[in-house]
Amino acid sequence: DVQMTQSPSSLSASIGDRVTITCRASQPIGGFLNWYHQKPGEAPKLLIYAVSDLHGAAPSRFSGSGSGTVFTLAISSLQFEDVGTYFCEQTKTLPWTFGHGTKVEVK
Amino acid sequence: QVQLQDSGPGLVKPSETLSLSCTVSGASLGNYYWIWIRQSAEKGLEWIGRIYTTGSSDYNPSLKSRVTMSVDTSNKRFFLSLTSVTAADTAVYFCAREVGPGAVDAWGQGTLVTVSS
Repeated sequence: DVQMTQSPSSLSASIGDRVTITCRASQPIGGFLNWYHQKPGEAPKLLIYAVSDLHGAAPSRFSGSGSGTVFTLAISSLQFEDVGTYFCEQTKTLPWTFGHGTKVEVK
Repeated sequence: QVQLQDSGPGLVKPSETLSLSCTVSGASLGNYYWIWIRQSAEKGLEWIGRIYTTGSSDYNPSLKSRVTMSVDTSNKRFFLSLTSVTAADTAVYFCAREVGPGAVDAWGQGTLVTVSS
């Protein structure tokens, strides 16, 4: 299976800060990388698919980049509603696999 | 707007079979993969498998010997069966829809399944 490693595992930032989360794949996955946001007690919600495409109503302060094995999710200006856990997912090779998550808190 | 409602028993005894169903509303089943994902503190998010409306399926090799998925297109429902469960199968189980290229754009609310005698 493709292993997905996220860093950091948690972070605390102030409202308005720029936040970045990194996801590393154990082998090249091309453009098959998605990001999700999960709040406690809820199902994850798709934020970004195919590395950098914003999904539906996801706010434009979210952006994704990367290639090969290293990918980044950025929040340009952290808002209260952005707290929760962020997961990356690779969909290059079955079975799809997820990172273990990055928990984002507001200072 | 597509909505998924998963349902099933919240408690299953060890060695028995876990059975969950998911009802889809607001969209047809066609042209999508319908999937099951589970989440536990120990393993995080784990992709269990997916089924297409034709019945074609893919399962996680780690669970393949115990998993069966099926679909009822007439009633817009799909199903998960996991046999010989142990405590390690305790998790929140989500049904969901997969869109190309593999992203999950719609999720059920999740069902906590506890394996315990």
